[in-house]
Amino acid sequence: DTAVSQTPKYLVTQMGNDKSIKCEQNLGHDTMYWYKQDSKKFLKIMFSYNNKELIINETVPNRFSPKSPDKAHLNLHINSLELGDSAVYFCASSQDIGDTEAFFGQGTRLTVV
Amino acid sequence: TQLLEQSPQFLSIQEGENLTVYCNSSSVFSSLQWYRQEPGEGPVLLVTVVTGGEVKKLKRLTFQFGDARKDSSLHITAAQPGDTGLYLCAGGKKLVFGKGTKLTVNP
Repeated sequence: DTAVSQTPKYLVTQMGNDKSIKCEQNLGHDTMYWYKQDSKKFLKIMFSYNNKELIINETVPNRFSPKSPDKAHLNLHINSLELGDSAVYFCASSQDIGDTEAFFGQGTRLTVV
Repeated sequence: TQLLEQSPQFLSIQEGENLTVYCNSSSVFSSLQWYRQEPGEGPVLLVTVVTGGEVKKLKRLTFQFGDARKDSSLHITAAQPGDTGLYLCAGGKKLVFGKGTKLTVNP
């Protein structure tokens, strides 16, 4: 069983489109995250949710909207995709807020053309 | 904002050599974590260091947390090609990551 699973693994889309990435964790964790990893491999936090409540929003354009229907799911919707959005997006979960082991999904490689 | 600086950014060595990579901050962390990321995968936790001055060993990997809890190091003894990967340190309530050290061990 995959602990943190995200879909799709690859996503190629045109500029201006709207797309969603889904994430689910079966670890019973309270906290979930979205990270963006750019071409230089820098893993930058975008959002964090704890028990379905947004607790971290790191200067991300409002074209990015996370949604947590329950604490096992954290989806990421992106409107009006731009070339600069191309990156690998990782979902992660942890038992508590920060300072604790995070388990990562395999990533979604988003390519905007 | 707590920031983590890692050095070196890139490291290419021969099998059997020893190496040390560093993770530094001007902020105090209650704990620091080390992850390894392989191509096409998400980061996987190697160890968490919690106490200032703590040393933890994981086979050929030795992790140390600085006395002031502002820095940490990872030492690998007799590196093997299987150690190749991106090594990341992370910490803080926001679980921020350093930019990583990309290690290549050549056979």
